[in-house]
Amino acid sequence: SQQGEEDPQALSIQEGENATMNCSYKTSINNLQWYRQNSGRGLVHLILIRSNEREKHSGRLRVTLDTSKKSSSLLITASRAADTASYFCATGGGGSNYKLTFGKGTLLTVNP
Amino acid sequence: DAGVIQSPRHEVTEMGQEVTLRCKPISGHDYLFWYRQTMMRGLELLIYFNNNVPIDDSGMPEDRFSAKMPNASFSTLKIQPSEPRDSAVYFCASSRGLLNTEAFFGQGTRLTVV
Repeated sequence: SQQGEEDPQALSIQEGENATMNCSYKTSINNLQWYRQNSGRGLVHLILIRSNEREKHSGRLRVTLDTSKKSSSLLITASRAADTASYFCATGGGGSNYKLTFGKGTLLTVNP
Repeated sequence: DAGVIQSPRHEVTEMGQEVTLRCKPISGHDYLFWYRQTMMRGLELLIYFNNNVPIDDSGMPEDRFSAKMPNASFSTLKIQPSEPRDSAVYFCASSRGLLNTEAFFGQGTRLTVV
């Protein structure tokens, strides 16, 4: 069963705008990860944030984590057409349940 | 490193036939995962191995599904007999460790059972 749930399911923006995707989860976690999937391809890891971290940056990506609300957000700044893809959050379970559980993803379309 | 390699990329088979999907993880990675992706259910973890030993197969949907990892560089996922509802994209992924580590995914095998 899915642990993370992304919102919105689909997002369409213009090139240059910022894109924000959200992820909510239900149980305790060790970490939360964001992955990207281009159409017909495998998933590519973007960023990992540990449960004791609140914010992390990587290039144009900014991830926040609020464990009290069991939620995370992924912000892509100055989006490009090449950012068009599906974005998934994955939670690494708490305790000894380390395996990654994925949400169903947000389909981001960046229009040139 | 070439990354995680899966074969075949596409497989079309008739209902009732045996299907074998193959995966070569990244060298040095001690965890291997098999996932299934469908529109309805998203990405589901089927089974994962640590040092070639199956650790958690609770996601394997039925006895028709089996997975093996005879050595550190090769794993198979077998469906016998296959059914149309098994149609999906099957991904293999590997990682170095399990806690707070990223997973590296293969390109997937798109399986169509007719």
